[in-house]
Amino acid sequence: QAQLVQSGAEVRKPGASVKVSCQASGYSFTGSYIHWVRQAPGQGLEWMGFINPYTGGPTYARKFEDSVTMTRDTSITTAYLELRRLKSDDTAVYYCARWISGSYYFESWGQGTLVTVSS
Amino acid sequence: VLTQSPGTLSLSPGERATLSCRASQSVSSSYLAWYQQKPGQAPRRLIYGTSNRASDVPDRFSGSGSGTDFTLTISRLEAEDFAVYYCQQFGGSPAYTFGQGTRLEI
Repeated sequence: QAQLVQSGAEVRKPGASVKVSCQASGYSFTGSYIHWVRQAPGQGLEWMGFINPYTGGPTYARKFEDSVTMTRDTSITTAYLELRRLKSDDTAVYYCARWISGSYYFESWGQGTLVTVSS
Repeated sequence: VLTQSPGTLSLSPGERATLSCRASQSVSSSYLAWYQQKPGQAPRRLIYGTSNRASDVPDRFSGSGSGTDFTLTISRLEAEDFAVYYCQQFGGSPAYTFGQGTRLEI
């Protein structure tokens, strides 16, 4: 059974960076895109982009093109989301999710990582 | 853009729930999914391709619709069904979009 396990909560000051990890197990890591979705406190879900674990190529939502980097390490079946130049409104829970191509939905989700940006 | 209605739906266990998701442009029925999210938890997939239940989803959940109007129906509400529900589409710009959610409360 596919499982995604994320790293723990982080606290950063404005202007800093943070890197969140998402370790996959139970399926072929290079066979499914890993997406990142964030949820600000009390708000809905916002898609940020995805990485193709096979090629390592990322695709970002336009809003996040200049502030995030998505990478992966196939040797440890882990995807990463780096957030740069953090602002207070980046405070959110960040989820990784496995996309099922052909069925067009997010089949598995990580448990979420809370990133708090505060001075 | 996906617009969900109502924003909040107040019902009792045993009742039928009907949640709406309207798209600003036509969406292929293959590209519309629904998720359930409970407090403090990650979203959970319920329905994909408009009407296909994901594995382990009870058959009281069903999806329907086409074009710009889609519906999630819960035939007989159970206590565990009270949560927030999101629709999601593939395609358009950005390519992956969620509705703002419907809160189903007791």
